Amino acid sequence: DAKTTQPPSMDCAEGRAANLPCNHSTISGNEYVYWYRQIHSQGPQYIIHGLKNNETNEMASLIITEDRKSSTLILPHATLRDTAVYYCIVRLPTGANNLFFGTGTRLTVIP
Amino acid sequence: EAQVTQNPRYLITVTGKKLTVTCSQNMNHEYMSWYRQDPGLGLRQIYYSMNVEVTDKGDVPEGYKVSRKEKRNFPLILESPSPNQTSLYFCASSLAFRETQYFGPGTRLLVL
Repeated sequence: DAKTTQPPSMDCAEGRAANLPCNHSTISGNEYVYWYRQIHSQGPQYIIHGLKNNETNEMASLIITEDRKSSTLILPHATLRDTAVYYCIVRLPTGANNLFFGTGTRLTVIP
Repeated sequence: EAQVTQNPRYLITVTGKKLTVTCSQNMNHEYMSWYRQDPGLGLRQIYYSMNVEVTDKGDVPEGYKVSRKEKRNFPLILESPSPNQTSLYFCASSLAFRETQYFGPGTRLLVL
């Protein structure tokens, strides 16, 4: 599975959009981009995933660049409850099923 | 509500005293797995199960056992816990292998 790089921390004002970047320059053509978050020692929570096209669900939007070497997770209206560590994971659809959580981005939503 | 549950949520025990952490899911998922999370080491997979009666080792299986007698349950057994097994443990499940994994709330274990 490809390695990802994320900024260690970000702040976002409550009510504003939070844009969390992820670089995955070594991604291969059939690797998916997954996002999870973990709110202080709780179980990781699945947010969204995608392959090539942009994706949107009730929680967030995922924008993947055309060359697929980077992506951005967008929380459209951040709330205090969105304060968490966000993990970007790139993985193949086959092979081992481990989820490799790196250090992630600690997002702090500020009132 | 679709969920993965774990019990207990917190446990303090002593070296060598056998313990079991239960995991149950109500989503009819075939795949289940156990992870441990330690500071600076991220999540590491302990064991996983592709289906009933099918289990296999993950990255850090030493000192742990699992069983999968029913589809919904996947207990983690520490036959003789040691202090280096002090950690935060997560159970996860997914519809099938390589599908999106959903995590339980975690079990914080302290072995004295």
